[in-house]
Amino acid sequence: NAGVTQTPKFQVLKTGQSMTLQCAQDMNHEYMSWYRQDPGMGLRLIHYSVGAGITDQGEVPNGYNVSRSTTEDFPLRLLSAAPSQTSVYFCASSFRRQGQQETQYFGPGTRLLVL
Amino acid sequence: GNSVTQMEGPVTLSEEAFLTINCTYTATGYPSLFWYVQYPGEGLQLLLKATKADDKGSNKGFEATYRKETTSFHLEKGSVQVSDSAVYFCALRRYSGGYQKVTFGIGTKLQVIP
Repeated sequence: NAGVTQTPKFQVLKTGQSMTLQCAQDMNHEYMSWYRQDPGMGLRLIHYSVGAGITDQGEVPNGYNVSRSTTEDFPLRLLSAAPSQTSVYFCASSFRRQGQQETQYFGPGTRLLVL
Repeated sequence: GNSVTQMEGPVTLSEEAFLTINCTYTATGYPSLFWYVQYPGEGLQLLLKATKADDKGSNKGFEATYRKETTSFHLEKGSVQVSDSAVYFCALRRYSGGYQKVTFGIGTKLQVIP
């Protein structure tokens, strides 16, 4: 298994540009999440999905869109990038056991710089 | 709401020194508690966890005990190695309708020097 993969590893954008951060997992996990990591703030949840076709907002969803058309993929879209979105983005996935979500597996991260 | 408090560091230790990274939490009910480790350039990996009071999680020589009376989950290791240099995140998990809500601390950077 490749686990959770993310592309690209690093990206530079200009303010107002759009882009999609890709996330894929090959473990058939139902749950997938996007976090951003900022200095002094730990990880904050952006959006999450509990299965194909189902997504919901996390703690800091503004400026980001997600969709979940397949179990494997969970892309994060920035429609109009802003400098405040400069961060490291992590995707995570987990499976469900006995009705509850189990521990998350994290991808290697995407470092985004918005100028 | 839920919160996790840990020092940001960096914590600098010599090889074979004793490590303690403090973690305290605020939460309603009975959360599960975790320590994650992030090595340079990588994502977070689960290091250990504890799901109820007085449980001790352990892995790779690291230990942490779930102390409900002091709302703490301090990470300890008796003898650190250079390879332990990383950022350590304390986190708590609460369930809401079967979905987990994970709250992370800010992360503590550990530097171990030879």
